[in-house]
Amino acid sequence: GEDVEQSLFLSVREGDSSVINCTYTDSSSTYLYWYKQEPGAGLQLLTYIFSNMDMKQDQRLTVLLNKKDKHLSLRIADTQTGDSAIYFCAETLNDYKLSFGAGTTVTVRA
Amino acid sequence: DGGITQSPKYLFRKEGQNVTLSCEQNLNHDAMYWYRQDPGQGLRLIYYSQIVNDFQKGDIAEGYSVSREKKESFPLTVTSAQKNPTAFYLCASSINEADYNYGYTFGSGTRLTVV
Repeated sequence: GEDVEQSLFLSVREGDSSVINCTYTDSSSTYLYWYKQEPGAGLQLLTYIFSNMDMKQDQRLTVLLNKKDKHLSLRIADTQTGDSAIYFCAETLNDYKLSFGAGTTVTVRA
Repeated sequence: DGGITQSPKYLFRKEGQNVTLSCEQNLNHDAMYWYRQDPGQGLRLIYYSQIVNDFQKGDIAEGYSVSREKKESFPLTVTSAQKNPTAFYLCASSINEADYNYGYTFGSGTRLTVV
């Protein structure tokens, strides 16, 4: 996972938007993913984006992809306390494996 | 419902013991993976298997062993050679197809503690 980079922590006020950023290295990645991990649990797929797209919106989630800069971001609108979790960015590698970032811990404060 | 099941949820190991973590999936996925998660270090790949009866070392395979005798099952043994086994272990599975866009499905994890 060391080739995918994310900031480690983000603190956001309830009701504000959260933006989590990620940079990846493999320009041939077909799909890029965002996973959410709540305390003591496994990872759940939040959303994904195909590499020929610039943006994908799914309810409160917006994914932006900048292929030129190999930059991926996840925006969570109207952040709630239930959004407090670790968020992982992941890219696909040639052999179908995923490479994960270290995860961004999002803390939502009242 | 299809899914991936890890057991037990909590496991305690004495120094010098081998322990085996179970991972079973009924998703008909080809590939299975084991990750170790330590606080602040993200996910580190231990072993993976893309087909039955075949598996490959990941980044931190030393002190671990696996088998893949059935498509549904990918148990991980933490041996006494693993000097710092206390961690959260995650199993995952996926389909090996170029157009598959759902990535990995993860189990709920096993927390292993050395006592």
